[in-house]
Amino acid sequence: NAGVTQTPKFRILKIGQSMTLQCTQDMNHNYMYWYRQDPGMGLKLIYYSVGAGITDKGEVPNGYNVSRSTTEDFPLRLELAAPSQTSVYFCASSYSRDSVAKNIQYFGAGTRLSVL
Amino acid sequence: GDSVTQMEGPVTLSEEAFLTINCTYTATGYPSLFWYVQYPGEGLQLLLKATKADDKGSNKGFEATYRKETTSFHLEKGSVQVSDSAVYFCALSPSRDTPLVFGKGTRLSVIA
Repeated sequence: NAGVTQTPKFRILKIGQSMTLQCTQDMNHNYMYWYRQDPGMGLKLIYYSVGAGITDKGEVPNGYNVSRSTTEDFPLRLELAAPSQTSVYFCASSYSRDSVAKNIQYFGAGTRLSVL
Repeated sequence: GDSVTQMEGPVTLSEEAFLTINCTYTATGYPSLFWYVQYPGEGLQLLLKATKADDKGSNKGFEATYRKETTSFHLEKGSVQVSDSAVYFCALSPSRDTPLVFGKGTRLSVIA
């Protein structure tokens, strides 16, 4: 079972460059999330989506964009990379129908991004 | 707003020692509570959960009890192993339609 797959695993960007972090899940989950994890810190929610065509801002959305054209994919776009965006990025998904299981989130392995 | 506070790490224990990682929360209503674990180089994975007051979640020898009166969900294990070395996150789900709120995480190192 693939679960949540993130690519790439590592990336180094120069200031001002752009890139897209890919996230795909094969569990037919309605909800998907993007988090960033800074060293020694917890997770901060960037954006989330409750279904195809619907996205909402999280705690730290500035400098990022997302889209959700399919149930499976939820890419995260950095348009003008800045050193402050150096972090580890995690994508997660969860199922919505069951009110108990809904918020059990399944995480990808992460993308480690450095902006220099 | 809703928040989770965990004890700061790192926590270093010898193998077979007893583990407690404190977690308290602030939330309106009746949230569900979770513990996630992150092993080195990996994403987070669910360790255990509790959905209502006095529920006890358990998995892999870890336990946590949902205490509404003290707004706590402390993680415990009677005898830790080196393989338990990881970062542990406490989290809450405010309602069925809102994302999880995570604590800052507690790094546990177990030495042989």
